[in-house]
Amino acid sequence: SQQGEEDPQALSIQEGENATMNCSYKTSINNLQWYRQNSGRGLVHLILIRSNEREKHSGRLRVTLDTSKKSSSLLITASRAADTASYFCATDKSEAGTALIFGKGTTLSVSS
Amino acid sequence: DADVTQTPRNRITKTGKRIMLECSQTKGHDRMYWYRQDPGLGLRLIYYSFDVKDINKGEISDGYSVSRQAQAKFSLSLESAIPNQTALYFCATSDGTADTQYFGPGTRLTVL
Repeated sequence: SQQGEEDPQALSIQEGENATMNCSYKTSINNLQWYRQNSGRGLVHLILIRSNEREKHSGRLRVTLDTSKKSSSLLITASRAADTASYFCATDKSEAGTALIFGKGTTLSVSS
Repeated sequence: DADVTQTPRNRITKTGKRIMLECSQTKGHDRMYWYRQDPGLGLRLIYYSFDVKDINKGEISDGYSVSRQAQAKFSLSLESAIPNQTALYFCATSDGTADTQYFGPGTRLTVL
């Protein structure tokens, strides 16, 4: 079963608007990562937030993590058409020897 | 040159054929992974390897096998391909289990 689940499944906005995507997970984690995928291509890592961090920034990206609610959000500010892609959260279970588990993704469409 | 390469990039085959997908990496990572991606289902883990002598089944290993020929090479085989194995297949590597994963460009496999 999926460890992380993104919400919404799809999001359509205009250029310049902010886009917020959410991820919920089920078990304790070491960290949570967000990845981006352009259509049909490999995933690209965006940002990693550790379980002892609450917020992290990278350029126009802002990620928050609430371990009490087992949830994270990815905010893209001032969206551009080039931000159109699918976004996935990935979590690792805190037990050793396991691999990252990816959610089903949020498809973001930014129109100009 | 790309750090993670996959061959072939596209493959069309028939039901019952044996298929091998290959992955090579120049990042020097010990950990390698195979995922499949289907529309609406996100990425699902097939197999993963933490080093040359370590192979682990993922969420959907039935119908697949793998070989870790060297630190840099991890192959995925479909012994007898079936149509519901039509999907986009990704290889990924990481330095540690909870660390950033680096993805290859993907192999689009169609089983007729």
